[in-house]
Amino acid sequence: QSALTQPASVSGSPGQSITISCTGTSSDIGGYKHVSWYQQHPGKAPKLMIYEVSNWPSGVSHRFSGSKSGNTASLTISGLQPEDEADYYCSSYTGSTTLVVFGGGTKLTVL
Amino acid sequence: QVQLVESGGGVVQPGGSLRLACAASGFTFNTYGMHWVRQAPGKGLEWVAFLRYDGTNKYYVNSVKGRFTISRDNSKNTLYLQMNSLRAEDTAVYYCAKEYDSVIGYYSFDYWGQGTLVTVSS
Repeated sequence: QSALTQPASVSGSPGQSITISCTGTSSDIGGYKHVSWYQQHPGKAPKLMIYEVSNWPSGVSHRFSGSKSGNTASLTISGLQPEDEADYYCSSYTGSTTLVVFGGGTKLTVL
Repeated sequence: QVQLVESGGGVVQPGGSLRLACAASGFTFNTYGMHWVRQAPGKGLEWVAFLRYDGTNKYYVNSVKGRFTISRDNSKNTLYLQMNSLRAEDTAVYYCAKEYDSVIGYYSFDYWGQGTLVTVSS
């Protein structure tokens, strides 16, 4: 099971919106709704931002939104804030014995 | 509040063994599936293993099958990862993580520990 494909980096200015893509296959993203997104600040544990493609865990800002089309999932962050600068990872259920696969991560820079 | 606290990391020689533990509190541990996820220095996240709430149905990433064993003691609210035949490429911070829902398998991790560093080096 290969890792999901994310861009290495994206950037945006405060107040702008950005979108991070996450591309898999029909065996993972394309086959299931179990797609999640995590935010990780340096030296910290990851934080769940989106689950089941587009759902928010309690306490997560709705500036973060998720979607999926075919084998590609996307995370959109609107109204960028300096504290959004972090690494972002997507993950998907695979239906195989390797239950979950992550993307390689995307570093978001808020200019 | 939910807390996950890992322990047991350290430096070990190639071929050696370590047992990681994850002490859980603040939720009904025996009703949630639990995962181990690792992150090599400067690298991305990698899912390692999953164990159902009742200790059945174990799953592993291919690279650790036959070498790592996930287990739990629900009476102690503790998750374990026994790691044998360690290799340099197992060097990483190991996180335990809680399944988001106790009933529906979302395969999302809503709480993570602070991680414990495992270094495999001679």
